Amino acid sequence: GENVEQHPSTLSVQEGDSAVIKCTYSDSASNYFPWYKQELGKRPQLIIDIRSNVGEKKDQRIAVTLNKTAKHFSLHITETQPEDSAVYFCAASIRGGYQKVTFGTGTKLQVIP
Amino acid sequence: DAGVIQSPRHEVTEMGQEVTLRCKPISGHNSLFWYRQTMMRGLELLIYFNNNVPIDDSGMPEDRFSAKMPNASFSTLKIQPSEPRDSAVYFCASSPPGGGGTGELFFGEGSRLTVL
Repeated sequence: GENVEQHPSTLSVQEGDSAVIKCTYSDSASNYFPWYKQELGKRPQLIIDIRSNVGEKKDQRIAVTLNKTAKHFSLHITETQPEDSAVYFCAASIRGGYQKVTFGTGTKLQVIP
Repeated sequence: DAGVIQSPRHEVTEMGQEVTLRCKPISGHNSLFWYRQTMMRGLELLIYFNNNVPIDDSGMPEDRFSAKMPNASFSTLKIQPSEPRDSAVYFCASSPPGGGGTGELFFGEGSRLTVL
């Protein structure tokens, strides 16, 4: 089955700096890569996703890049703010038919004011 | 829509007791997932259903765990007998049909289980 690895497990940045979280996946059939943000004591919520036919996607301060050949994808947060502090999970799945989503182990991001 | 609804939000029980967690997915969603979250193991997929049928239960830890989805609007996850190592937050999530949906998982607020 699919295996998703995520690094780093913790990340501290100064407010205003950028943060990068990296993930790799094992199943070349995976074609959908979402990122979820989980604030303390809350549920995971989707913040951005990318499909395998796209190399990069941006949404304001957040961007995700995908390298299908190397089977890795990354989340980039620019101009970080204290409210970005949370645990971020990457995931991989095969869209269409039975959708099984495999999550990475999570990155705890702390933005220091 | 109220989103995915889980109950109870918190459960404290003693080792050996039966625990039943409940989930109501978003109307129209045809996939339902049960995840377990712990500090050590992160988000683990326990089981997922598609159109009420269990598709993959390979993540269910052992025979003490069972899950059912008797209809499109209700699912249960049962632990019998419960053990302290089952203490975790259990999330239910649903997603719309793969062809027309975004692929997004919609999570419930979770059920925090503590087994003493």
